[in-house]
Amino acid sequence: SQQGEEDPQALSIQEGENATMNCSYKTSINNLQWYRQNSGRGLVHLILIRSNEREKHSGRLRVTLDTSKKSSSLLITASRAADTASYFCATDLYNTDKLIFGTGTRLQVFP
Amino acid sequence: KAGVTQTPRYLIKTRGQQVTLSCSPISGHRSVSWYQQTPGQGLQFLFEYFSETQRNKGNFPGRFSGRQFSNSRSEMNVSTLELGDSALYLCASSRSRGRGNTEAFFGQGTRLTVV
Repeated sequence: SQQGEEDPQALSIQEGENATMNCSYKTSINNLQWYRQNSGRGLVHLILIRSNEREKHSGRLRVTLDTSKKSSSLLITASRAADTASYFCATDLYNTDKLIFGTGTRLQVFP
Repeated sequence: KAGVTQTPRYLIKTRGQQVTLSCSPISGHRSVSWYQQTPGQGLQFLFEYFSETQRNKGNFPGRFSGRQFSNSRSEMNVSTLELGDSALYLCASSRSRGRGNTEAFFGQGTRLTVV
């Protein structure tokens, strides 16, 4: 399977703590994206990092990319209860728009 | 600007029947992709359409098909439904020029239950 793996599968933290999720993938990529999904609903795009970038920030989100290890991490700082959701990384098959999603991390933030 | 609209939101069908799902992309987006999400297999790519042509296809049987119209709206069809087709079907649109580097905007999905 081309599907990536995410680690951990589930994460529970208190509000105000940081949450870190990791993603590993298998193929060469143009970019890597992170999406959030609230229970059983559509995915919301969070951030895109290109293959020639190593780190990117957006608000409370920080994403790193290590193409030599085929891995990425998503850090959410100062988490809030509203951050409770599943988080997926997605890579594109090189030069296509076919997204290959990871298995996802379920984040639970307790107030 | 209106988002991606999928209809219907919920659907219950019987084994052996067929179903058609609809997706209206964001205005100006010419690429529409379909994904199947199940607890066991996660998010799986079905196919992608661009300017009425299927550009990419995932590893699904021929019972799964789709098309795109000149206004970029897309439909997917599943024939001879099986219990295992029960899933959340997600549609995504993007500005895509086929070289990646574009974010996808997802609809809320159609929850299909096959009984």
